[in-house]
Amino acid sequence: QSALTQPPSASGSPGQSVTISCTGTSSDVGGYNYVSWYQQYPGKAPKLMIYEVTKRPSGVPDRFSGSKSGNTASLTVSGLQAEDEADYYCSSYSGSNNFAVFGTGTKVTVL
Amino acid sequence: EVQLLESGGGLVQPGGSLRLSCEASGFTFSSYAMSWVRQAPGKGLEWVSGISGNGGSTYYGDSVKGRFTISRDNSKGTLYVQMNSLRADDTAVYHCARALRHCSGGACYYYGMDVWGQGTTVTVSS
Repeated sequence: QSALTQPPSASGSPGQSVTISCTGTSSDVGGYNYVSWYQQYPGKAPKLMIYEVTKRPSGVPDRFSGSKSGNTASLTVSGLQAEDEADYYCSSYSGSNNFAVFGTGTKVTVL
Repeated sequence: EVQLLESGGGLVQPGGSLRLSCEASGFTFSSYAMSWVRQAPGKGLEWVSGISGNGGSTYYGDSVKGRFTISRDNSKGTLYVQMNSLRADDTAVYHCARALRHCSGGACYYYGMDVWGQGTTVTVSS
């Protein structure tokens, strides 16, 4: 089971938008609408930001949005704020292990 | 307050064993699947293992299959993972997480982990 592929880094100025990609296969991202995204600050536990590709848990700002096309899912953070600087991980249901696979992670920097 | 608290981490020699625990509070533990996720120093998240709400179904990542055993005691609200034949590359912070799953037609599909513990550190070294 290989990890989903994310770019190592992404950046944007305050107020701008940044989009992070997450590429898998037809056995995970492409085969199911069960992609989730997590935000993690250094030394802290991950936080669920998006689930089922596009849904936001209560309390997550609507600046965070998700989408999917084929084997690639994306997380867009609009109106970047300093507090958005963190690591972001995608995850998907995996038909290979019948549970989960995570992405390689992307460090978002607010310039 | 919904909470998960891991314990049991420590320093262990290669080839050794360790059992981690995760105590849940603030929700009906037996109603949820649970999972272990680890993070090696400076590395990304890696899914390790999962278990259904009643404990009847268990799932493992390729890197731990045959060495780790996940279990749960719903009467105690506690999740466990027994780790045997530990290797240096098992060194990581181990988080437990509440796993959300949609079940349909006899199959269940994970779609998010919405509650996480702070983690317990496992170091495998001689």
